[in-house]
Amino acid sequence: ETGVTQTPRHLVMGMTNKKSLKCEQHLGHNAMYWYKQSAKKPLELMFVYSLEERVENNSVPSRFSPECPNSSHLFLHLHTLQPEDSALYLCASSQEPGQDTDTQYFGPGTRLTVL
Amino acid sequence: SQQGEEDPQALSIQEGENATMNCSYKTSINNLQWYRQNSGRGLVHLILIRSNEREKHSGRLRVTLDTSKKSSSLLITASRAADTASYFCATDANGGGADGLTFGKGTHLIIQP
Repeated sequence: ETGVTQTPRHLVMGMTNKKSLKCEQHLGHNAMYWYKQSAKKPLELMFVYSLEERVENNSVPSRFSPECPNSSHLFLHLHTLQPEDSALYLCASSQEPGQDTDTQYFGPGTRLTVL
Repeated sequence: SQQGEEDPQALSIQEGENATMNCSYKTSINNLQWYRQNSGRGLVHLILIRSNEREKHSGRLRVTLDTSKKSSSLLITASRAADTASYFCATDANGGGADGLTFGKGTHLIIQP
């Protein structure tokens, strides 16, 4: 798990706050991902970056804004969130997106609570 | 509707017994992967099986894939208390590109000591 780190591990914010989640991968991978894990729902893919370019958006509300300044770092900027956005946000990375043996390595997640 | 569906949703067995979890999916895939998640933490990759493979082993894990039935199973042999976790199947859809994985809801496995 230490190959992909996420900060903060826990975050409580009000609906009017602006905050950012950070993810860093130390594996030299080419792709990074944001997933949302809500209670009793499957993991939902939010964003994909491959070689620092966004390749997937998945109809995520605009109150979530990703940023990938380089291949090792990924941010998720949050603003005017809703209580239903409370969830575990997981970051992942992979070496060869699209290859049939590509696997993803996950960070520990950020537990977000929106009041 | 979601791609992966695990069955059962929850499973409780005695330590030392074998645990079998099943997964069904709907579309063509490049590969199918199984991940494990301890409570409230990140996912750990367990094993990947490619669409042209039928069975794969890794330690106490055995995975099968039947593409005609669009289903997979994960067998954990000689279970241990430390195997208690949620297990997810995830599919990498056929089509190439960085399209992420599609996960099921998972099977929550409890190993009773």
